[in-house]
Amino acid sequence: QVQLQQSGPGLVKPSQTLSLTCAISGDSVSSNSAAWNWIRQSPSRGLEWLGRTYYRSKWYNNYGVSVSGRVTFNSDTSKNQISLQLDSVTPEDTAVYYCARGITARPAYYFDSWGQGTLVTVSS
Amino acid sequence: SSELTQDPAVSVALGQIVRITCQGDSLRSNYASWYQQKPGQAPLLVIYGENNRPSGIPDRFSGSSSGNTASLTITGAQAEDEADYYCNSRDNSGNVLYVFGTGTKVTVL
Repeated sequence: QVQLQQSGPGLVKPSQTLSLTCAISGDSVSSNSAAWNWIRQSPSRGLEWLGRTYYRSKWYNNYGVSVSGRVTFNSDTSKNQISLQLDSVTPEDTAVYYCARGITARPAYYFDSWGQGTLVTVSS
Repeated sequence: SSELTQDPAVSVALGQIVRITCQGDSLRSNYASWYQQKPGQAPLLVIYGENNRPSGIPDRFSGSSSGNTASLTITGAQAEDEADYYCNSRDNSGNVLYVFGTGTKVTVL
């Protein structure tokens, strides 16, 4: 059974960097059949896919256009975890952030395991 | 990005059938997946692919699709099914890979 455990601060000041970590158990961060996604949820934007990182002989990243240019994904195989960094945050980035395992079985795409969520508030 | 449109809310009597729909152009070429979300919890996958349920999801949940519309049906709704339900699909616009529906609040009466 895959479990994702998130950690990170719940309060970030405007213009600073939001950093979250997602520790994976029950699967490998370098799995050849999964991708590790970041998704956020806010009342104004609903559920919004931010991007993913995955390993297929090498590491790949994909980003959603709303955060592209501000977001960085990292993976740590020794700790079996992924991390998200979102730069230059504004109050619009206030949301609950989730990590989730994504599975592709074309034409089916789904997120079958989710972290518990981290409420991140951007405020001075 | 493409949009996935859902009705904001629907109610169902205990033990009856409720169908939740999700409309969007991306559904013409991709299956929807469906998620149940209760207050303060992360979304939970309930249906994926053509009509597949993860382990532990009751068989009263089923999925179907036709054209640009995907549906989630709860046959014999239970009190514990009261939740928000979201659809999700691969996006064809190129701005994002995945898009989520606007969500449907299901109330069990």
